[in-house]
Amino acid sequence: SQKIEQNSEALNIQEGKTATLTCNYTNYSPAYLQWYRQDPGRGPVFLLLIRENEKEKRKERLKVTFDTTLKQSLFHITASQPADSATYLCAPGGYQKVTFGTGTKLQVIP
Amino acid sequence: DVKVTQSSRYLVKRTGEKVFLECVQDMDHENMFWYRQDPGLGLRLIYFSYDVKMKEKGDIPEGYSVSREKKERFSLILESASTNQTSMYLCASSLWAGSSGEEQYFGPGTRLTVT
Repeated sequence: SQKIEQNSEALNIQEGKTATLTCNYTNYSPAYLQWYRQDPGRGPVFLLLIRENEKEKRKERLKVTFDTTLKQSLFHITASQPADSATYLCAPGGYQKVTFGTGTKLQVIP
Repeated sequence: DVKVTQSSRYLVKRTGEKVFLECVQDMDHENMFWYRQDPGLGLRLIYFSYDVKMKEKGDIPEGYSVSREKKERFSLILESASTNQTSMYLCASSLWAGSSGEEQYFGPGTRLTVT
């Protein structure tokens, strides 16, 4: 069955540094991969989408890579800020639906 | 802005009760989804719908049913609530079905406790 793995432990990072979050998947060949941010007690909010024929996507301080050979996506936040502290979910997807990972909790320390 | 609203933020029900969770979106989206979110298990898809009166089972449909009589409204029904259905329930919508990966817009969630 499909398996989505994200860093199970929280990631603590100093303000101003680059945070890198990992998403690995197995038994799956997604057509695209989405990343969401979730704050405590709230629903996830969409951040970025990358398709299988794209290697990299950027949006402001965010960068996503997608390596279909390694079956892995990396999510980078450059110049991180305390306001970036949240849980980040990856969601590989195909026709009609996506499968969510369990998320990585990021804490940016001032 | 797309708005997805859910009928309750918090709900407490007794074992065996029939529970209705309502979700409404205001952007004429084709797709609507119901997920539950539990610590360590992440978001799991219960049911989704790609059109009025159409529904598809997700990964964990047992113990649940859904109804979509109007495009903007998607209801999740727990026929006979059990304690293992205590969870956070999240509704989402997206523009249309397909493999292009339309982003999903989520509601605020309903935290359901079954005692």
